[in-house]
Amino acid sequence: GENVEQHPSTLSVQEGDSAVIKCTYSDSASNYFPWYKQELGKGPQLIIDIRSNVGEKKDQRIAVTLNKTAKHFSLHITETQPEDSAVYFCAASRGGSQGNLIFGKGTKLSVKP
Amino acid sequence: EAQVTQNPRYLITVTGKKLTVTCSQNMNHEYMSWYRQDPGLGLRQIYYSMNVEVTDKGDVPEGYKVSRKEKRNFPLILESPSPNQTSLYFCASSRTTGPYTFGSGTRLTVV
Repeated sequence: GENVEQHPSTLSVQEGDSAVIKCTYSDSASNYFPWYKQELGKGPQLIIDIRSNVGEKKDQRIAVTLNKTAKHFSLHITETQPEDSAVYFCAASRGGSQGNLIFGKGTKLSVKP
Repeated sequence: EAQVTQNPRYLITVTGKKLTVTCSQNMNHEYMSWYRQDPGLGLRQIYYSMNVEVTDKGDVPEGYKVSRKEKRNFPLILESPSPNQTSLYFCASSRTTGPYTFGSGTRLTVV
């Protein structure tokens, strides 16, 4: 069945360094790839998303890249800050249904001051 | 304020006692979904709905029921809860083009 693999499961960086989280998906019909940030005790919140007709998207310190041929996409956070510490989830649409998502297992990012 | 509201936030119940977790959204979204979050397993979809009276199973539907009689509401029903349903539950809604808006979560403990 459909699957989204996310790596690494934990990531620790020094403040100011960059962090990269990678995901692969199995459904070649997936066309929407959002990333969510979950802080302790809260629900996941969208931080950036990308659709299959775009290869890269950037929003200040956050960027996402998509390689449709290889079926993988990545989240890049530059100049990390302690408030970036959280669990990050990647997701992919089930086929072309952008309102129906399958999630990776999450990456716990720790940014050390 | 645009939001997804889940109730209750915390619930402790006993095995076999039927319960309902409510979910309501005020954004006129077509799609609504329920997920459970367990350590090391991420967010797994239980059920989803594409519109009123249209629901379908997700990846882990066993032991759960849902209904979508109104566009804004999507309750999750556990007819006979068991300890393996102890988890953190999230409701989410979206337009057909995404993205999801999540509720704040319901932490359920079944003893």
